[in-house]
Amino acid sequence: GQQLNQSPQSMFIQEGEDVSMNCTSSSIFNTWLWYKQEPGEGPVLLIALYKAGELTSNGRLTAQFGITRKDSFLNISASIPSDVGIYFCAGQLRQAGTALIFGKGTTLSVSS
Amino acid sequence: EAGVAQSPRYKIIEKRQSVAFWCNPISGHATLYWYQQILGQGPKLLIQFQNNGVVDDSQLPKDRFSAERLKGVDSTLKIQPAKLEDSAVYLCASSPRGPRWGEQFFGPGTRLTVL
Repeated sequence: GQQLNQSPQSMFIQEGEDVSMNCTSSSIFNTWLWYKQEPGEGPVLLIALYKAGELTSNGRLTAQFGITRKDSFLNISASIPSDVGIYFCAGQLRQAGTALIFGKGTTLSVSS
Repeated sequence: EAGVAQSPRYKIIEKRQSVAFWCNPISGHATLYWYQQILGQGPKLLIQFQNNGVVDDSQLPKDRFSAERLKGVDSTLKIQPAKLEDSAVYLCASSPRGPRWGEQFFGPGTRLTVL
């Protein structure tokens, strides 16, 4: 099936540092979404992107929809301990309706 | 607004037993999804409903899994008989109509352990 390559797999950072993670695919996507998942909970939507080149912020989070429609990145600025969790990219293929395809996640650890 | 509700939150069964999960989507959301999330992986779509009709069930193991959304609101997912490899978190999500059509909102999930 279709795959999203998400990197890095894990990150260990100090509080206050900036973080960057990305997703790439060989296929074209209609949308890119970024989710955060904490233990025992479902994924929580952080940012949704609908247009190639779109740059959207949500507080300290910024995400971009790549120009080629095959990639996206998420930046977190000035990380804090509550940023800890697993971040997933997800997208909807242009030819496949609205079902989401997920990356494998980036596990973020923040030390204070 | 209330989020996606799921029950039970946890279920432990033995292999070959049957189990059912329930989901109530966000009010007004016409599209409902069931995903399976195996430990260490991202969620994978099992089935998608638009109102009470199935849009995509291509990845649903139909020999053992079934799902219904009879009145276009809440939904149940059933596994019969369960196998060890069905141990996973089962997530329900819903999405709105209109300009935010692509955004899916997830419930807390049901963690299934098959022994």
